[in-house]
Amino acid sequence: EIVLTQSPVTLSLSLGERATLSCRASQSVGGTDLAWYQQKPGQAPRLLIYGASSRATGIPDRFSGSGSGTDFTLTISRLEPEDFAVYYCQHYGSSSITFGQGTRLEIK
Amino acid sequence: QVQLQQWGAGLLKPSETLSLTCAVYGGSFRGYYWSWIRQPPGKGLEWIGEINHRGTTNYNPSLKSRVTISVDTSKNRFSLKLSSVTAADTAVYYCAINPGGEMAGWGQGTLVTVSS
Repeated sequence: EIVLTQSPVTLSLSLGERATLSCRASQSVGGTDLAWYQQKPGQAPRLLIYGASSRATGIPDRFSGSGSGTDFTLTISRLEPEDFAVYYCQHYGSSSITFGQGTRLEIK
Repeated sequence: QVQLQQWGAGLLKPSETLSLTCAVYGGSFRGYYWSWIRQPPGKGLEWIGEINHRGTTNYNPSLKSRVTISVDTSKNRFSLKLSSVTAADTAVYYCAINPGGEMAGWGQGTLVTVSS
C-alpha cells in the first residue's frame, strides 16, 4: 500500500501570498494517479486537481498541481479568503486508494 | 451534473451493522466506479471501498473482512454495509463518484455514531 505524507501539517500565510503544499509517496506512483481536494468545515471535500496537474471543472486557475513519481505539489498562486481550508492529496491505482493526512492552511 | 444523495441509520450500538445507501441522479450510472469514504471526527479521510455497475468491488485491506458494497443498477443506487461496528467506526461517511480514480463528486455525508 502506498503511503502519502503531506507537509507541512499546518501552513500559516497571509492573503495574496503564494501557498505551496507537498505530498510525498512512499513509492513511485503509476503515471500521474494523484488528486488534490479542498475541505472546509462541515462540508464534503471538493476535487481540485486530478491526474497530478489537471484542474477539475470550475476550479480557479490560481490552483495548480505538479509533480510525478514520488513528489507532488499543490500551488495556490495568490491566496483568497475562501482558500483557507484543509487540503488532502489522494493516490489511486492498482485497485487501491489512499489519502494523505492533510495540510491545514490558515490565515496568518 | 451527477448528484449523490445518501441516507442510513446515524446511531448504532457496538456489534451492530452499519448500513448506508447512496442514490445517483442526473447522469449515467454505468462506466464509473462508486466509492465509500469515511472521516472520523477531527481526522482525515479513509477510503473504504468501491464498486462499478457490474458489481466488481475493491476494498481497503484494513476493513475488507467487515465490508460489503453492493449495487442496484435498476435504481441507480449503491450501498455499504460494515459489520461488527465499534466506537472506532464513528465517522462521517461519504459516497462519491470516481470516474478515473479521483473523487469527482461527493454525497452530503452521514454522521454515524457508535455508542452503547
